Amino acid sequence: GAGVSQTPSNKVTEKGKYVELRCDPISGHTALYWYRQSLGQGPEFLIYFQGTGAADDSGLPNDRFFAVRPEGSVSTLKIQRTERGDSAVYLCASSPGTSGRPRNEQFFGPGTRLTVL
Amino acid sequence: ILNVEQSPQSLHVQEGDSTNFTCSFPSSNFYALHWYRWETAKSPEALFVMTLNGDEKKKGRISATLNTKEGYSYLYIKGSQPEDSATYLCAFGTGGFKTIFGAGTRLFVKA
Repeated sequence: GAGVSQTPSNKVTEKGKYVELRCDPISGHTALYWYRQSLGQGPEFLIYFQGTGAADDSGLPNDRFFAVRPEGSVSTLKIQRTERGDSAVYLCASSPGTSGRPRNEQFFGPGTRLTVL
Repeated sequence: ILNVEQSPQSLHVQEGDSTNFTCSFPSSNFYALHWYRWETAKSPEALFVMTLNGDEKKKGRISATLNTKEGYSYLYIKGSQPEDSATYLCAFGTGGFKTIFGAGTRLFVKA
C-alpha cells in the first residue's frame, strides 16, 4: 500500500514569507507526528496528533509554527514569517496506534527540505 | 531534559566487517526503544521496537539488544555490505507522546 507522502519535497522561500508543508499519512493511521531535522542532529519532535486533535504541541518552537489535521488524515504544518533558522528537513510520520503510545513503530515520509534565504 | 546519545557519530568499515553502535538513554520512565535506518534520499525505516529489559531482536544480519536498567541498547551488523551504508537512529519513548531521537550513527561501508 501507499506509504506516507509529503509535499513539496523541496521548498525554497525568502525570509518573512509564509509556507505550508503537507503530509498524507498511511490510510487508517490515527497517530501523526511532525519532526524537524537540522544538519547533524536527529529528528526533533514538534507536534503529535491523535485523530483531529493535537495531543501534544510542546515541541513547536514558537507561535510562528502551527499545524492542523482537520479531518484526521492529511496534516498541514504552517510556518509564518519564516526565518533562516527554520531551514531544515521537516519529517512527518504516522502510526496505527490508537493510544498514541510510542511502542508502535512510526512510518516516515521522505521529508520536505525547507530552505529560507 | 531527556537526552538520547548515540556513538560513534560516524563509522567507516570495509565490506565484510562486523560492527556495532551504542544508544544511551535515560533509565527512568522507559517505555520503548526504537531503531531506524535512514538511507540518503529515502524515508527513515523502522528496524526494531524493543520494550523489555533483555530484549534481543534480529532481522537478517542486523540485531539489537536492550538494557533498560542501565539505559543502553546496542545495534550489531554482521558482515557489513555497501547497502548497509545509512544513518542509524535510535529513539526513546517515555510512554507519553514524544519520541526522543538521538543524532544517529552514520555508517559508511566500503566495497
